[in-house]
Amino acid sequence: GAVVSQHPSRVICKSGTSVKIECRSLDFQATTMFWYRQFPKQSLMLMATSNEGSKATYEQGVEKDKFLINHASLTLSTLTVTSAHPEDSSFYICSARGNRAVQPQHFGDGTRLSIL
Amino acid sequence: EDKVVQSPLSLVVHEGDTVTLNCSYEVTNFRSLLWYKQEKKAPTFLFMLTSSGIEKKSGRLSSILDKKELSSILNITATQTGDSAIYLCAGGIQGAQKLVFGQGTRLTINP
Repeated sequence: GAVVSQHPSRVICKSGTSVKIECRSLDFQATTMFWYRQFPKQSLMLMATSNEGSKATYEQGVEKDKFLINHASLTLSTLTVTSAHPEDSSFYICSARGNRAVQPQHFGDGTRLSIL
Repeated sequence: EDKVVQSPLSLVVHEGDTVTLNCSYEVTNFRSLLWYKQEKKAPTFLFMLTSSGIEKKSGRLSSILDKKELSSILNITATQTGDSAIYLCAGGIQGAQKLVFGQGTRLTINP
């Protein structure tokens, strides 16, 4: 149980392109999903908390207009990197947790984004 | 500012050895302490600890939380090469449900 699917696993695209990443909880409902960014040899940095049916809560320093988050259903959240530039190249990981009070976050396999 | 610190940052041992990884936390509204294992892709969940002094076990792995010392340890006995990974510790925040991650311990098991 607690499977989170993230797609695509790898994206290579030109500067200026917008890229959409999907995160799905396959066997549970997730009112809350999280988006992280991870630089090489560093830990996970939380970008935003995505709540189903409402606006995402962004961490300090994360540009809302750059990283658009939509959580349209209890099983799907999307992160769109708008007008991506080389400095946006990174490993993006989503996680989801169920609805009970104390539950772990379960992670997707991540998306490696490379902007040329 | 909420902070989680892991030590050591890197550890190299031989197969069969026992290792102990450390995690200390300063988290406002602390709710839980989580351990994850990260190999090539995203982290996989190992343990979630909410009560002090109660050991959780899964095979050769075990973990315990000390709320008085604001710390946790992860033990791996009879290590195998497949245990080589980055082990991440995270503090869970009540209400916000966010996790604050430590920098990770890179564990290498040599045959």
